[in-house]
Amino acid sequence: AQRVTQPEKLLSVFKGAPVELKCNYSYSGSPELFWYVQYSRQRLQLLLRHISRESIKGFTADLNKGETSFHLKKPFAQEEDSAMYYCALSTSGGSYIPTFGRGTSLIVHP
Amino acid sequence: NAGVTQTPKFQVLKTGQSMTLQCAQDMNHEYMSWYRQDPGMGLRLIHYSVGAGITDQGEVPNGYNVSRSTTEDFPLRLLSAAPSQTSVYFCASSWDSKNTEAFFGQGTRLTVV
Repeated sequence: AQRVTQPEKLLSVFKGAPVELKCNYSYSGSPELFWYVQYSRQRLQLLLRHISRESIKGFTADLNKGETSFHLKKPFAQEEDSAMYYCALSTSGGSYIPTFGRGTSLIVHP
Repeated sequence: NAGVTQTPKFQVLKTGQSMTLQCAQDMNHEYMSWYRQDPGMGLRLIHYSVGAGITDQGEVPNGYNVSRSTTEDFPLRLLSAAPSQTSVYFCASSWDSKNTEAFFGQGTRLTVV
């Protein structure tokens, strides 16, 4: 079975502080990992995927297969980063339908 | 380009009533899925489809039915609504490859009283 664990329900930081949203996964094969974001009263949208190895809105995430982690990081948080963040896993065993974690609510204070 | 469209946006049902949540996409995606979003539980997969005529159960399928008669539409049916089905429901669609992005509808907020 595949599973995504986001240990923090809520992460509260001040503007300019570094941010790390944790994501761990369990899957024996080779997964695809994603981060999705949901801003207030908006639909979920893709933030980034590990295969692209890109930085979006200052966020990066590195897949660590040894630790089965895909943590999301940003060196300097902005107020507009306040949102709900979901880590997601896509595998051949799950027909490539994403499995989501419970989400982490990020609040960035001014 | 409308993307993924869900109707209605809000609905209140009485226990035991039935209803259908509509989902349509205009991107010719093969994959479609339904999730429910509950506080502290994240997004849980209800049912999904990998093509017209093909559906399968997700993590929490009980109390819900789906069908996929066309590529564009993937309705979710509640046959006898229960208060435990009070939730926000999201429909998503994607291409049939493993690195693909899932596109979401705006959600349907359902309250069962």
